[in-house]
Order: sequence, then structure tokens, then C-alpha cells
Amino acid sequence: SQTIHQWPATLVQPVGSPLSLECTVEGTSNPNLYWYRQAAGRGLQLLFYSVGIGQISSEVPQNLSASRPQDRQFILSSKKLLLSDSGFYLCAWSVGDEQFFGPGTRLTVL
Amino acid sequence: GESVGLHLPTLSVQEGDNSIINCAYSNSASDYFIWYKQESGKGPQFIIDIRSNMDKRQGQRVTVLLNKTVKHLSLQIAATQPGDSAVYFCAENFGQNFVFGPGTRLSVLP
Repeated sequence: SQTIHQWPATLVQPVGSPLSLECTVEGTSNPNLYWYRQAAGRGLQLLFYSVGIGQISSEVPQNLSASRPQDRQFILSSKKLLLSDSGFYLCAWSVGDEQFFGPGTRLTVL
Repeated sequence: GESVGLHLPTLSVQEGDNSIINCAYSNSASDYFIWYKQESGKGPQFIIDIRSNMDKRQGQRVTVLLNKTVKHLSLQIAATQPGDSAVYFCAENFGQNFVFGPGTRLSVLP
């Protein structure tokens, strides 16, 4: 069966610090991978998606970036965090139509 | 387009009653639709899906209705239980993209 992992589960970072969130998928090959952000009490905002290694599409211009160094690994990064980067970050994968989500990382930028 | 930054609407229902959660989607080319349930602090979980060649699909205690004419999707939950309290999102899929509605918070009253 397929499993998706995200870490860390929670993170508190100062403004201006770097960020690296990691997502890995098990039990599937060549999935589409996605990063979403969810502000408190709000809907899901697509940040990046990837259809293959090294292929990243950005949906929203911002100070975040994504990379896919391996087929089942998706990384979300920032060189300098902003207060507005606080939120719940969700990684998701899809093969075909269905999309499944990881447990999320709650990021608080102070 | 993208899920917008709206505060979540709330639906309150009495335990045992039926719930109906509505969603308007944006793209007439979308051919696959999903309902997700998200409990506090967790990632969204798949509930039920429907393809554009259908107008109704039933699961266990849940039914999804699709009206392509008005681009409307609904989720019906029969005999709502306390464990159904969560935020519910609809999503539309076209190509690689999943676009989410703003979500509805369902509160089940004892």
C-alpha cells in the first residue's frame, strides 16, 4: 500500500531563517507530487506540483521553492522565511485521478 | 482558479440528522471530483469521488451529487454522527491540477 511521510510535524522558525520541509512517498512509482499551504481556518492553496524528477511547476509566486531530487521525494524550501509563511503545509501525491495527502507540517514563523 | 482566502462557512446539524454540504466548481472542463474530510491538525482524507459522466454516486452513509449544468457538487451525509465533525473540501481535477473549494466546517450538535 502507498504511504506518504512528511517531516517535521511541527516547526517554529524565526523570520529570516531558512526552511526545508521534506516529503517522501512509498509504494508507488512516478507519482505526481504536490505542495499545498493551508492558512488557519482556510482552504488549500496549491504552491507547487511536480510530474517527475526535476520538473517543478509553481502556482503562486513567493519566496518558497520546491525540488524533486528523487522520484518519491519532494522538498519545500525557503532561503528567508516571512511571517506570512506561517501555515499548515501539506504534501500530496497522485497517480491517475486520485490524490492522497500526508499528515502535514505546521509551521509557525515568529 | 485557486482556492481563495475565504473564512470557512459553517454548517451545524443535530446528531442523527442528514447533512448536505455544497460546492461550486470553476472549470467546465473538469472531469473528476473528490470530497475530502479534514479533521483538526490532520491532512485531508479522501471520502468519495465522482466522474463527470455520472450525476450521483453513493458510498457508506455518503452520497455525492454532480450537476454539470450549474457546476455544482454536493455531499450528503446520512444520520450525521459526532465523528463527522470536520472541515469538508471539494476538489475538481483537470489534467495534473487539483483545485480545492474553500471548505465547509461541519459541526454536529448533541
